[in-house]
Amino acid sequence: EPEVTQTPSHQVTQMGQEVILRCVPISNHLYFYWYRQILGQKVEFLVSFYNNEISEKSEIFDDQFSVERPDGSNFTLKIRSTKLEDSAMYFCASYYRGRGFHNEQFFGPGTRLTVL
Amino acid sequence: DAKTTQPTSMDCAEGRAANLPCNHSTISGNEYVYWYRQIHSQGPQYIIHGLKNNETNEMASLIITEDRKSSTLILPHATLRDTAVYYCIVIESSGDKLTFGTGTRLAVRP
Repeated sequence: EPEVTQTPSHQVTQMGQEVILRCVPISNHLYFYWYRQILGQKVEFLVSFYNNEISEKSEIFDDQFSVERPDGSNFTLKIRSTKLEDSAMYFCASYYRGRGFHNEQFFGPGTRLTVL
Repeated sequence: DAKTTQPTSMDCAEGRAANLPCNHSTISGNEYVYWYRQIHSQGPQYIIHGLKNNETNEMASLIITEDRKSSTLILPHATLRDTAVYYCIVIESSGDKLTFGTGTRLAVRP
């Protein structure tokens, strides 16, 4: 069964450093998302991406964040200058829009980001 | 998006049915009810969705009241692997972001 993959599984970085979280969505999917979950809290939407551009972003997704689909298979989330409060589990998700309505998003296993 | 309310936690015995309720009293006519779950430290997993009719798949059944103001997710024979947080989410359009609440923490006991 196809699945969304994410690398690395765990990233440790120093405050102020840049990090890039990588995701490989399911190959025929057209919509891509990033969510995050701070330990013990709710899963929060960050950004959605369709047709090579951001379709929606949350208040969390400020100028420190960016997304890219550089080569047609990878989908990346970059945090330019990490802060302690960026420590969280980051989930990538993808979705195929078929005929009719079916918003089944497939989630990856997540990348745990720890900012020291 | 309409808001949902769910009990904070529930438990059930292994092998018995787990019935997880969700209230979505402000749901609009074009909004679907979706259920996802999150097993500890894993990414959320889709379970089932519906508009107004009851639905069943290999994982669960979804019962939506006639007025659509509430629904119940039924896991017919819960196993220990079904221990997870279950989220009820209403969505209007395809491709919409998922807005997760705090969900219901289901503990399946041996």
